[in-house]
Amino acid sequence: GAVVSQHPSWVICKSGTSVKIECRSLDFQATTMFWYRQFPKQSLMLMATSNEGSKATYEQGVEKDKFLINHASLTLSTLTVTSAHPEDSSFYICSAGRQGSSYNEQFFGPGTRLTVL
Amino acid sequence: GENVEQHPSTLSVQEGDSAVIKCTYSDSASNYFPWYKQELGKGPQLIIDIRSNVGEKKDQRIAVTLNKTAKHFSLHITETQPEDSAVYFCATNQAGTALIFGKGTTLSVSS
Repeated sequence: GAVVSQHPSWVICKSGTSVKIECRSLDFQATTMFWYRQFPKQSLMLMATSNEGSKATYEQGVEKDKFLINHASLTLSTLTVTSAHPEDSSFYICSAGRQGSSYNEQFFGPGTRLTVL
Repeated sequence: GENVEQHPSTLSVQEGDSAVIKCTYSDSASNYFPWYKQELGKGPQLIIDIRSNVGEKKDQRIAVTLNKTAKHFSLHITETQPEDSAVYFCATNQAGTALIFGKGTTLSVSS
């Protein structure tokens, strides 16, 4: 149980285009989902916290107009990178906290590799 | 906010040796301390976790210890194997908040 999927697993796009990444909890309902970004040989940096049915909370330094997050249901959150540029190339990872728990525990997706040309 | 420091950044051991990775945290309200293993190109995989009401937890070759007074926790891997080679991250949070990660330790196990 507690499986989180991400789609796509990798994407290559041209500079200036937008890319949508989906994060799904497959066998549980997730009250809260988190989006992280990881640059090569670095740690996971929290970008935003997404609660179902409400606006996401962004970490300092993360542009909310550039990284649009939607959490429309208890099993799906999406991250859209708008007008992507090469510096947005990174590994994007989502995690989900189970509904009804204290959600100390988070279950991680396999990540999405974004390359912007 | 919470700050997590992890040491060492790289660790090389011979197969069969033990490996220890240490983390310190700053927020005394943190009450959950997981460890993740990440292989290249993959998401982090939970290998063991501990809560603040427990001082030690063991799962086969892996153990985690927690010292809440000193605000540090450690990962212990015994009888290391080449397949243990990966990047290991500590993390912590309190209920309702995101996990904050250490900078990671690259473990290399040579046979």
